[in-house]
Amino acid sequence: GNSVTQMEGPVTLSEEAFLTINCTYTATGYPSLFWYVQYPGEGLQLLLKATKADDKGSNKGFEATYRKETTSFHLEKGSVQVSDSAVYFCALKPGSARQLTFGSGTQLTVLP
Amino acid sequence: GAVVSQHPSWVICKSGTSVKIECRSLDFQATTMFWYRQFPKQSLMLMATSNEGSKATYEQGVEKDKFLINHASLTLSTLTVTSAHPEDSSFYICSANSGVLGDTQYFGPGTRLTVL
Repeated sequence: GNSVTQMEGPVTLSEEAFLTINCTYTATGYPSLFWYVQYPGEGLQLLLKATKADDKGSNKGFEATYRKETTSFHLEKGSVQVSDSAVYFCALKPGSARQLTFGSGTQLTVLP
Repeated sequence: GAVVSQHPSWVICKSGTSVKIECRSLDFQATTMFWYRQFPKQSLMLMATSNEGSKATYEQGVEKDKFLINHASLTLSTLTVTSAHPEDSSFYICSANSGVLGDTQYFGPGTRLTVL
């Protein structure tokens, strides 16, 4: 079956620190991969996505590269801000399906 | 673009009553809508998938008669929690997808349901 394994949180960083949130997946075929962000009290927002191997998704300084050989889609940001504090979800969508499978989410807190 | 709204944003009800939650795509036609449930500090669990004009497809373990889903138009889906009980208290989130917009799902802001 399809599954997403995310780095357990919570993660606490100081402002301007480097961020990595690990995400690995198991899926049949060639899924699309996503990172969603959920700010406190809000719904999920699409942060970035990649649809095929070696694609790099990027948005708001965040990046993630679709690595087929390691079945990974790690999220990175070079310098986090307090406003990046949120819960981050890794997700996949198998090529033929419409449903998303989510990881467990990682709470990020950035301290000033 | 691609905005999804939910109403209400929060609701408190007494045990035994029914609650209806609306999910609307504001600026696109949603051929498919999804309903998720999120427990505190946990991930989203897909409850059901609905296509406009047809019956919803429920995930294993989700009671169809408990969680009634209607997708009557290309911009509106509703979730009715019937005879709600305290264990139904949760954060309910919908998302919508349009074939025109590709495979991205656009999420609503969620509805916090508290059953007393």
